[in-house]
Amino acid sequence: AQTVTQSQPEMSVQEAETVTLSCTYDTSESDYYLFWYKQPPSRQMILVIRQEAYKQQNATENRFSVNFQKAAKSFSLKISDSQLGDAAMYFCASRPPRGSQGNLIFGKGTKLSVKP
Amino acid sequence: NAGVMQNPRHLVRRRGQEARLRCSPMKGHSHVYWYRQLPEEGLKFMVYLQKENIIDESGMPKERFSAEFPKEGPSILRIQQVVRGDSAAYFCASSTAPGPQYFGPGTRLLVL
Repeated sequence: AQTVTQSQPEMSVQEAETVTLSCTYDTSESDYYLFWYKQPPSRQMILVIRQEAYKQQNATENRFSVNFQKAAKSFSLKISDSQLGDAAMYFCASRPPRGSQGNLIFGKGTKLSVKP
Repeated sequence: NAGVMQNPRHLVRRRGQEARLRCSPMKGHSHVYWYRQLPEEGLKFMVYLQKENIIDESGMPKERFSAEFPKEGPSILRIQQVVRGDSAAYFCASSTAPGPQYFGPGTRLLVL
């Protein structure tokens, strides 16, 4: 069974600084998708960034980027120039390849605080 | 383009009552997923549906829970004879084929 592990229950960063959230996963598949979702206090789940496992280039979305290490099964999220609005729970998720769809498997989340 | 809609946003039920949660996917999305989030935990997959078909219900409790996605109208997650342990946030997500899943705002179910 696929598993996703987030080893940091809580993280804190100073506004304008950079923070990295860790995620590791376990899968026997060679092709899969990885995601980071943000859940602010409103509880809405917001897609932050996604990575296709067959792509070697790390995904980037504005201030958000990932460090994807396929051999190590690691998928960390880097947030640059942190803003107060980045404070939220961050969930790492994987999607096993069942055709082109499949349910997401989530980690337990990392609560990020941003200090002004 | 409206996002995924869920209603109600909050639902209070007494033990033994039925809960009906509705999800309208994004326009053009024909795949719907339901997830449950217990307090202080990540989301857990429950069921994956396409129009009129259940594709994967491996995460659904065997009893009291059912889901449908009719040809017309929203997807419905139905919980019969609710118990206190059913109190959670229930999220619906939709996608195209293929595509990332976009989530609705969730329904917070409280069982008294």
